[in-house]
Amino acid sequence: EVQLQESGPGLVKPSQSLSLTCSVTGYSITSNYWGWIRKFPGNKMEWMGYISYSGNTNYNPSLKSRISITRDTSKNQFFLQLNSVTTEDTATYYCARNARGFDYWGQGVMVTVSS
Amino acid sequence: DIQLTQSPASLSASPDEIVTITCQASQDIGSSLLWYQQKAGKSPQLLIYSATILADGVPSRFSGSRFGTQYSLKISRLQVEDIGTYYCLQVSSSPLTFGSGTKLEIK
Repeated sequence: EVQLQESGPGLVKPSQSLSLTCSVTGYSITSNYWGWIRKFPGNKMEWMGYISYSGNTNYNPSLKSRISITRDTSKNQFFLQLNSVTTEDTATYYCARNARGFDYWGQGVMVTVSS
Repeated sequence: DIQLTQSPASLSASPDEIVTITCQASQDIGSSLLWYQQKAGKSPQLLIYSATILADGVPSRFSGSRFGTQYSLKISRLQVEDIGTYYCLQVSSSPLTFGSGTKLEIK
């Protein structure tokens, strides 16, 4: 069974970087696409970006140059880094497999940006 | 960016009722639309992909349809366990975009 698990700090200070890890079991990240999605307080959902089976990336332009998604295929993990965070980045962050749409999701990690 | 206008924002219905949620796309996205259900404290679950195809393990009371750029999710006989928030998502072009969500409550 495909399983995804997010991990990372739940509290980040403004202007710092948010770094999250998605650990995948039951499926290789060298197949399909792997994305990050976030849900803001108030329920708005935002697709942040993805990394492909070959390591190519595609980001939401709304995040401009703040976002980076990378991977470690030896550990079957992929990573999110979001720089220069503000309180507007407070959200629950999910990683997900993008096959026929996002079909497998992690349980989500709540990240609060606060000093 | 492609906008998805989802309605209603919330609705309350009784068990066994028929419930319909719609998403209107701002431009042609073909069949590149998905529907998700999210229960409180859980991650979203894929219900429908390619606008009309039921995802594995999803009860047959859920169905999706398309008429031009309008997409609908129908729950044919509402069950208590269907409570949650429903979202549409377009995967036709980048950036992928979500509808604003529909909160479904049971009367």
